[in-house]
Amino acid sequence: GQSLEQPSEVTAVEGAIVQINCTYQTSGFYGLSWYQQHDGGAPTFLSYNALDGLEETGRFSSFLSRSDSYGYLLLQELQMKDSASYFCAVRARGGLTGGGNKLTFGTGTQLKVEL
Amino acid sequence: KAGVTQTPRYLIKTRGQQVTLSCSPISGHRSVSWYQQTPGQGLQFLFEYFSETQRNKGNFPGRFSGRQFSNSRSEMNVSTLELGDSALYLCASSFRGNLGEKLFFGSGTQLSVL
Repeated sequence: GQSLEQPSEVTAVEGAIVQINCTYQTSGFYGLSWYQQHDGGAPTFLSYNALDGLEETGRFSSFLSRSDSYGYLLLQELQMKDSASYFCAVRARGGLTGGGNKLTFGTGTQLKVEL
Repeated sequence: KAGVTQTPRYLIKTRGQQVTLSCSPISGHRSVSWYQQTPGQGLQFLFEYFSETQRNKGNFPGRFSGRQFSNSRSEMNVSTLELGDSALYLCASSFRGNLGEKLFFGSGTQLSVL
């Protein structure tokens, strides 16, 4: 099966940089995704890493190391609106027919941004 | 372009009853997946449908079932409800469910089992 670990809660101040780590155990790994979910809202896609390295999208960056089964989400210039839950998710091989793939989510990291 | 629509938004049932939840994906999206979200448990994968076929299935009992129609709309059914089934049920769609494709989530159906 698949398992993911990420911290349950992180607190940071506005304007700071925060890193949310994610380690995973899986077979047939394809890639690592990150999703953001505000309280009462739907999860929204942030990034997807299939290859080692850093992907940057505005204030958010995501990193993957396949050899270490590890990734992180980096949020810069934190704003109050960034207070939300952040989920890493592993895309891995798996399907009823032996093919296909499925997305397994971690339990989420609640980020609190303070003034 | 309309987003993913889930109905109903809230539902209250009693133990032993059954429930059907509906999901209309974004137009043109053929992959629909379902997740159960409970506090502290994250999003647990239920199943994924593509072109009316169940392509993937999570580790849930047989009381949880689903289907997809030719217009890609999907329903999930939970029979013989238990208290532990109380959760937010999220539906997500993507074009083909391929690697790297982002999922677009609906706002979910909040199910309370009394």
